[in-house]
Amino acid sequence: QVQLQESGPGLVKPSETLSLTCTVSGGSISNYFWHWIRQPPGKALEWIGYIYYNGNTDYNPSLRTRVTISLDTSKNQFSLKLNSVTSADTAVYFCARRDDNSGRWYFDSWGQGNLVTVSS
Amino acid sequence: EIVVTQSPGTLSLSPGERATLSCRASQNIGNNLDWYQQKPGQAPRLLIYAASSRATGIPVRFSGSGSGTDFTLAISSLEPEDSAVYHCQQRSEWPLTFGGGTKLEIK
Repeated sequence: QVQLQESGPGLVKPSETLSLTCTVSGGSISNYFWHWIRQPPGKALEWIGYIYYNGNTDYNPSLRTRVTISLDTSKNQFSLKLNSVTSADTAVYFCARRDDNSGRWYFDSWGQGNLVTVSS
Repeated sequence: EIVVTQSPGTLSLSPGERATLSCRASQNIGNNLDWYQQKPGQAPRLLIYAASSRATGIPVRFSGSGSGTDFTLAISSLEPEDSAVYHCQQRSEWPLTFGGGTKLEIK
Protein backbone atom coordinates (compact mmCIF):
# COMPACT_ATOMS: atom_id res chain seq x y z
CA GLN A 1 0.00 0.00 0.00
CA VAL A 2 1.58 3.25 -1.13
CA GLN A 3 1.92 6.02 1.45
CA LEU A 4 2.50 9.72 0.88
CA GLN A 5 3.90 12.14 3.45
CA GLU A 6 4.26 15.88 3.08
CA SER A 7 7.05 17.75 4.84
CA GLY A 8 8.15 21.35 5.04
CA PRO A 9 7.92 24.55 7.07
CA GLY A 10 4.63 25.38 8.72
CA LEU A 11 5.27 29.12 8.61
CA VAL A 12 6.37 31.23 5.65
CA LYS A 13 6.77 35.01 5.50
CA PRO A 14 4.84 37.08 2.96
CA SER A 15 6.64 37.53 -0.38
CA GLU A 16 8.86 34.49 0.28
CA THR A 17 8.76 31.03 -1.29
CA LEU A 18 6.73 28.15 0.09
CA SER A 19 8.54 24.81 -0.33
CA LEU A 20 7.07 21.39 0.41
CA THR A 21 8.19 17.84 -0.33
CA CYS A 22 6.10 14.72 -0.67
CA THR A 23 7.83 11.40 0.05
CA VAL A 24 6.34 8.30 -1.54
CA SER A 25 6.85 5.00 0.25
CA GLY A 26 5.60 1.47 -0.36
CA GLY A 27 5.57 1.92 -4.11
CA SER A 28 7.38 3.36 -7.07
CA ILE A 29 7.05 6.91 -8.30
CA SER A 30 7.18 5.63 -11.87
CA ASN A 31 4.14 5.49 -14.17
CA TYR A 32 1.96 7.71 -12.01
CA PHE A 33 0.85 11.33 -11.96
CA TRP A 34 1.72 13.18 -8.76
CA HIS A 35 -0.42 16.11 -7.69
CA TRP A 36 -0.54 18.95 -5.21
CA ILE A 37 -3.90 20.14 -3.87
CA ARG A 38 -4.55 22.74 -1.21
CA GLN A 39 -7.38 23.66 1.13
CA PRO A 40 -7.54 27.12 2.72
CA PRO A 41 -9.14 27.06 6.18
CA GLY A 42 -12.88 26.51 5.83
CA LYS A 43 -12.74 26.66 2.05
CA ALA A 44 -12.87 24.37 -0.95
CA LEU A 45 -10.11 22.14 -2.22
CA GLU A 46 -8.04 23.70 -5.00
CA TRP A 47 -5.97 21.73 -7.48
CA ILE A 48 -2.46 23.22 -7.85
CA GLY A 49 -0.79 21.03 -10.45
CA TYR A 50 0.86 17.73 -11.26
CA ILE A 51 4.09 16.16 -12.40
CA TYR A 52 4.34 12.92 -14.33
CA TYR A 53 7.23 10.58 -13.57
CA ASN A 54 8.87 11.60 -16.88
CA GLY A 55 8.97 15.21 -15.69
CA ASN A 56 5.98 16.61 -17.61
CA THR A 57 3.99 19.13 -15.61
CA ASP A 58 0.75 21.06 -15.75
CA TYR A 59 -0.46 23.77 -13.42
CA ASN A 60 -3.65 25.54 -12.47
CA PRO A 61 -3.73 28.74 -14.59
CA SER A 62 -4.57 30.71 -11.45
CA LEU A 63 -1.17 29.79 -9.97
CA ARG A 64 0.92 29.08 -13.07
CA THR A 65 3.13 32.15 -12.82
CA ARG A 66 4.18 31.32 -9.25
CA VAL A 67 4.33 27.52 -9.00
CA THR A 68 6.92 24.89 -9.83
CA ILE A 69 6.59 21.14 -9.23
CA SER A 70 9.69 18.98 -9.52
CA LEU A 71 10.62 15.33 -9.06
CA ASP A 72 13.51 13.42 -7.52
CA THR A 73 13.10 9.81 -8.59
CA SER A 74 16.23 8.71 -6.72
CA LYS A 75 14.57 9.71 -3.46
CA ASN A 76 11.00 8.82 -4.48
CA GLN A 77 10.01 12.40 -3.79
CA PHE A 78 8.32 15.28 -5.56
CA SER A 79 8.25 18.90 -4.47
CA LEU A 80 6.21 22.06 -4.65
CA LYS A 81 7.52 25.62 -4.76
CA LEU A 82 5.17 28.59 -4.65
CA ASN A 83 6.72 32.03 -5.01
CA SER A 84 5.69 35.41 -3.69
CA VAL A 85 3.23 34.05 -1.15
CA THR A 86 0.55 36.11 0.57
CA SER A 87 -1.94 35.34 3.31
CA ALA A 88 -4.25 33.94 0.61
CA ASP A 89 -1.82 31.05 0.25
CA THR A 90 -2.39 29.94 3.85
CA ALA A 91 -3.79 26.44 3.51
CA VAL A 92 -3.35 22.75 4.19
CA TYR A 93 -1.32 21.39 1.29
CA PHE A 94 -1.91 17.78 0.22
CA CYS A 95 0.02 15.61 -2.15
CA ALA A 96 -1.90 12.91 -4.00
CA ARG A 97 -1.51 10.24 -6.66
CA ARG A 98 -3.49 9.54 -9.82
CA ASP A 99 -3.06 6.41 -11.96
CA ASP A 100 -4.09 7.78 -15.36
CA ASN A 101 -2.26 5.06 -17.30
CA SER A 102 -4.60 2.44 -15.86
CA GLY A 103 -7.71 4.53 -16.50
CA ARG A 104 -8.05 5.36 -12.82
CA TRP A 105 -8.49 9.10 -13.25
CA TYR A 106 -9.10 9.79 -9.58
CA PHE A 107 -6.96 10.43 -6.52
CA ASP A 108 -6.47 7.02 -4.95
CA SER A 109 -3.83 7.98 -2.36
CA TRP A 110 -3.31 11.15 -0.39
CA GLY A 111 -0.85 12.48 2.13
CA GLN A 112 -2.11 13.61 5.52
CA GLY A 113 -1.64 17.27 4.66
CA ASN A 114 0.75 19.99 5.79
CA LEU A 115 -0.64 23.24 7.16
CA VAL A 116 1.31 26.23 5.87
CA THR A 117 0.60 29.64 7.38
CA VAL A 118 1.79 32.79 5.63
CA SER A 119 2.50 35.43 8.22
CA SER A 120 5.24 37.80 9.24
CA GLU B 1 -12.80 26.59 -16.05
CA ILE B 2 -15.68 24.36 -15.00
CA VAL B 3 -17.42 25.59 -11.87
CA VAL B 4 -18.73 22.90 -9.53
CA THR B 5 -21.48 23.80 -7.06
CA GLN B 6 -22.57 21.64 -4.15
CA SER B 7 -25.76 21.83 -2.15
CA PRO B 8 -26.76 22.06 0.57
CA GLY B 9 -23.84 23.60 2.40
CA THR B 10 -24.77 21.78 5.58
CA LEU B 11 -27.06 18.82 6.19
CA SER B 12 -28.15 17.65 9.63
CA LEU B 13 -29.82 14.24 9.84
CA SER B 14 -30.35 11.43 12.31
CA PRO B 15 -28.88 7.93 12.24
CA GLY B 16 -30.83 5.64 9.95
CA GLU B 17 -32.09 8.45 7.76
CA ARG B 18 -31.24 8.85 4.07
CA ALA B 19 -28.94 11.64 2.93
CA THR B 20 -28.99 13.16 -0.54
CA LEU B 21 -26.16 15.48 -1.57
CA SER B 22 -26.14 17.37 -4.85
CA CYS B 23 -23.37 18.49 -7.16
CA ARG B 24 -23.82 20.57 -10.30
CA ALA B 25 -21.27 21.35 -13.00
CA SER B 26 -21.35 24.52 -15.09
CA GLN B 27 -21.14 22.48 -18.30
CA ASN B 28 -21.58 18.92 -19.48
CA ILE B 29 -18.92 16.69 -17.94
CA GLY B 30 -20.39 13.31 -18.86
CA ASN B 31 -19.69 10.94 -15.98
CA ASN B 32 -16.33 12.51 -15.13
CA LEU B 33 -17.14 13.21 -11.52
CA ASP B 34 -15.78 11.78 -8.28
CA TRP B 35 -16.88 12.06 -4.66
CA TYR B 36 -14.57 12.25 -1.65
CA GLN B 37 -15.27 12.08 2.08
CA GLN B 38 -13.15 14.14 4.45
CA LYS B 39 -13.19 13.88 8.23
CA PRO B 40 -11.64 16.57 10.45
CA GLY B 41 -7.88 16.58 10.35
CA GLN B 42 -7.76 13.91 7.66
CA ALA B 43 -7.11 13.75 3.96
CA PRO B 44 -10.03 13.22 1.60
CA ARG B 45 -10.91 9.59 0.87
CA LEU B 46 -12.30 8.42 -2.46
CA LEU B 47 -15.90 7.22 -2.19
CA ILE B 48 -17.32 7.20 -5.72
CA TYR B 49 -15.57 7.51 -9.07
CA ALA B 50 -16.99 8.00 -12.56
CA ALA B 51 -20.22 9.29 -11.00
CA SER B 52 -21.54 5.92 -9.86
CA SER B 53 -18.78 3.38 -9.15
CA ARG B 54 -18.00 2.68 -5.51
CA ALA B 55 -14.33 2.70 -4.58
CA THR B 56 -12.74 -0.33 -2.95
CA GLY B 57 -13.91 -0.89 0.62
CA ILE B 58 -16.72 1.66 0.50
CA PRO B 59 -19.96 0.40 2.11
CA VAL B 60 -22.92 -0.30 -0.16
CA ARG B 61 -25.00 2.36 1.60
CA PHE B 62 -23.04 4.94 -0.44
CA SER B 63 -24.22 5.37 -4.02
CA GLY B 64 -23.65 7.89 -6.76
CA SER B 65 -25.77 8.81 -9.75
CA GLY B 66 -26.10 11.38 -12.49
CA SER B 67 -24.43 12.47 -15.68
CA GLY B 68 -24.00 15.62 -17.70
CA THR B 69 -24.33 18.47 -15.24
CA ASP B 70 -26.29 17.07 -12.29
CA PHE B 71 -25.03 14.48 -9.85
CA THR B 72 -26.14 13.00 -6.55
CA LEU B 73 -24.44 11.19 -3.70
CA ALA B 74 -26.87 9.19 -1.59
CA ILE B 75 -26.24 7.55 1.75
CA SER B 76 -29.08 5.12 2.34
CA SER B 77 -29.00 4.66 6.11
CA LEU B 78 -26.78 7.04 8.02
CA GLU B 79 -24.27 5.83 10.57
CA PRO B 80 -22.62 8.12 13.13
CA GLU B 81 -19.26 7.67 11.38
CA ASP B 82 -20.69 9.23 8.20
CA SER B 83 -20.31 12.64 9.80
CA ALA B 84 -17.87 14.41 7.45
CA VAL B 85 -17.49 16.91 4.64
CA TYR B 86 -18.25 15.50 1.20
CA HIS B 87 -16.54 16.94 -1.86
CA CYS B 88 -17.31 16.40 -5.51
CA GLN B 89 -14.67 16.97 -8.19
CA GLN B 90 -14.86 17.13 -11.95
CA ARG B 91 -12.12 15.61 -14.10
CA SER B 92 -13.55 16.33 -17.52
CA GLU B 93 -11.30 19.30 -18.21
CA TRP B 94 -8.16 20.93 -16.84
CA PRO B 95 -7.90 22.55 -14.41
CA LEU B 96 -9.50 19.99 -12.13
CA THR B 97 -12.05 21.71 -9.92
CA PHE B 98 -13.83 20.83 -6.70
CA GLY B 99 -17.16 21.86 -5.27
CA GLY B 100 -17.32 23.82 -2.05
CA GLY B 101 -18.27 20.75 -0.03
CA THR B 102 -21.32 19.63 1.93
CA LYS B 103 -20.95 19.21 5.66
CA LEU B 104 -23.02 16.27 6.90
CA GLU B 105 -23.82 16.30 10.58
CA ILE B 106 -25.30 13.26 12.31
CA LYS B 107 -27.58 14.30 15.17
